[in-house]
Amino acid sequence: RKEVEQDPGPFNVPEGATVAFNCTYSNSASQSFFWYRQDCRKEPKLLMSVYSSGNEDGRFTAQLNRASQYISLLIRDSKLSDSATYLCVGLAGGTSYGKLTFGQGTILTVHP
Amino acid sequence: DTGVSQNPRHKITKRGQNVTFRCDPISEHNRLYWYRQTLGQGPEFLTYFQNEAQLEKSRLLSDRFSAERPKGSFSTLEIQRTEQGDSAMYLCASSETGNQPQHFGDGTRLSIL
Repeated sequence: RKEVEQDPGPFNVPEGATVAFNCTYSNSASQSFFWYRQDCRKEPKLLMSVYSSGNEDGRFTAQLNRASQYISLLIRDSKLSDSATYLCVGLAGGTSYGKLTFGQGTILTVHP
Repeated sequence: DTGVSQNPRHKITKRGQNVTFRCDPISEHNRLYWYRQTLGQGPEFLTYFQNEAQLEKSRLLSDRFSAERPKGSFSTLEIQRTEQGDSAMYLCASSETGNQPQHFGDGTRLSIL
C-alpha cells in the first residue's frame, strides 16, 4: 500500500463548479501535509499547507483529519486556470525529517 | 531570488552512458532534495542533504546513482551505466529547514535510447 493515496481522476468540471479531492495516508508519523499543484510537464508548486484546524486561501480550503488519516482539498468557483494535477504530500518526521512523500496526483480539468 | 535552477533541462543519451545533472538551490537554503518522477506518478524521494552532509538515501537509489553537495551549495546527481528504466524527470528542491516548504526546480528530463 502506498503511503499517500489519491484518486487519480480525472475530474472534469465546468467553470464555476465546486470540486473536492480526497487523500489518505498510512504513516501516522507524518508530521505535516501540503497540497502541491503541478501543470503539465512543469515542476510541482506549493498550493497550501494543511492543518487540523483547516486552512483557507481564497477559493481553496484544505482540511486534515488525523484520526481518520484523511486530507481534503476543496476548490470553489473553479476557473479554467485551475486545470492541473493536484498532489497530496506528507512531510516525514523522525529520522526522515523533511522528506516529502507524494500521492499519485489527481487530474483536474475545468472546461468552459 | 532566482529560484531553484537545474541543468540541463533535457538530456537524451544512449543506454550505458553516464549522465550528470546539476542543481543550484535557492541561496541560503540548507536543505537540498532530489526526487524522480515518471509519467502518471507523483515524485519519489531519492536523497537529501543538510548543507554538505547527505542524510538519507532511498532504496530507489541503486549503486549506479551518486549525489554530492561538496560545498553545501550546488549539488550533482550522477547516474552511471544508464538503463532504460532511468528515463524520468529528475527534480531538485530546496528549503530553509526540514519543516519549511520545499521549492522545486524545473527538473531535468532524462530519456534513455
